[in-house]
Formats: sequence, structure tokens, C-alpha cells
Amino acid sequence: QKEVEQDPGPLSVPEGAIVSLNCTYSNSAFQYFMWYRQYSRKGPELLMYTYSSGNKEDGRFTAQVDKSSKYISLFIRDSQPSDSATYLCAMSATGNQFYFGTGTSLTVIP
Amino acid sequence: EAQVTQNPRYLITVTGKKLTVTCSQNMNHEYMSWYRQDPGLGLRQIYYSMNVEVTDKGDVPEGYKVSRKEKRNFPLILESPSPNQTSLYFCASRQYGLADNNEQFFGPGTRLTVL
Repeated sequence: QKEVEQDPGPLSVPEGAIVSLNCTYSNSAFQYFMWYRQYSRKGPELLMYTYSSGNKEDGRFTAQVDKSSKYISLFIRDSQPSDSATYLCAMSATGNQFYFGTGTSLTVIP
Repeated sequence: EAQVTQNPRYLITVTGKKLTVTCSQNMNHEYMSWYRQDPGLGLRQIYYSMNVEVTDKGDVPEGYKVSRKEKRNFPLILESPSPNQTSLYFCASRQYGLADNNEQFFGPGTRLTVL
């Protein structure tokens, strides 16, 4: 069983839509949860970071962590064409060893 | 400009020919790490280093070596590359500490093909 499972998509939405991206995990020791955005031919960039459970909001982005269900989500409101990218969830128990999901490819259509 | 640099960006080589991919960061970060990215498998951690002379295995270390003799550099060494090491490789660095946000800064990637 993989440490982190993520639906690869692809996901295609119209501009302005709300996007929901999700990951599940199996290791209950994970306490650091991250979402990265990766544009084509580029390295990943950190989008959101959450420690332990709860919600975090930053502009149009909201990250949620439900440790009891081992489930994390990223919501994008008012999606824009510039949000078209691959979104990677990542997790860590210690902050040293990181486990990434396979990534979800998102296309926002103008 | 704060950045992580990798060289080369593209490399085609043959099985068994030793190679080194260099990684350098100018942010004085203690932590550095190497990942490989493959379709359907995502990013997988190869090795990481918490400081000079301190390295540890990630999820997929087989066939790779690393060294951390200077804080800014973290080269990835493939002693005898094989075709299954054909992949996109990323180096990353971050400030190391309990209070940080675990943000890793990634390099631009090195696309390696082993024939």
C-alpha cells in the first residue's frame, strides 16, 4: 500500500469554478501536510502548509486536514486559467522524510 | 536571487558509466534532499541531508550515493547507472528547524536518460 494516494485526474473545470483536490494516507504518524503546485517543466512550489489537523486559508486557497480520516483536501475558489498545473500533496512525520502523492493535473478553461 | 541550481539540466548516458548531478543552493539552508519523479509514481525521495556530513536514506536510495561536504552543495552520484534510473530528478533545500513551515525550494530538475 502506498503511503499517500492521490487521484491523478486529469481534472478540467471552467474558469470561476471551485476545485476540490484530495489525498488519503495510511501513516498515522504524519503531522506535516503540504500542497505543492508544479507547472510544466518546472520544479514544485509550496502552496499551502498545515501542521496537524485543521483548516488554513490563504486567498483563494483553503487546505483542510482530517487526521481521524487520514484525508487532506485543497480547495481553490474562483479558479483562474493560471491555476492550470499539477497539484501535489506531500506529508511528513518528522519534517525530514517526505512522501508525495502522484499529483492531480488541473486545467482551468477560460 | 535565492535559488537552487542543478547541473546538468539534461543528460543522456549509457548503462554503467558513472555520473554526478550537482546541486547547489545559495540560501544557507541546512537541509537538502534529492527526489526522482516518474509518471504514475510521483515524487519519491532518494536521500536527504540535515547538515554537513549528515545524510540519510529516503524511500528509494538503491543505486544512488550522496555526499554533503559543504553546506551549499549536495551532489547525487550514480556509480553504475541502469535504464531504470531514467527519470526526472529534483534537488530541494529548506531551512531546518521546528518552527518553520517545511517549505522546500526545488531546483529546475535534471532529465536523465540511461540507454
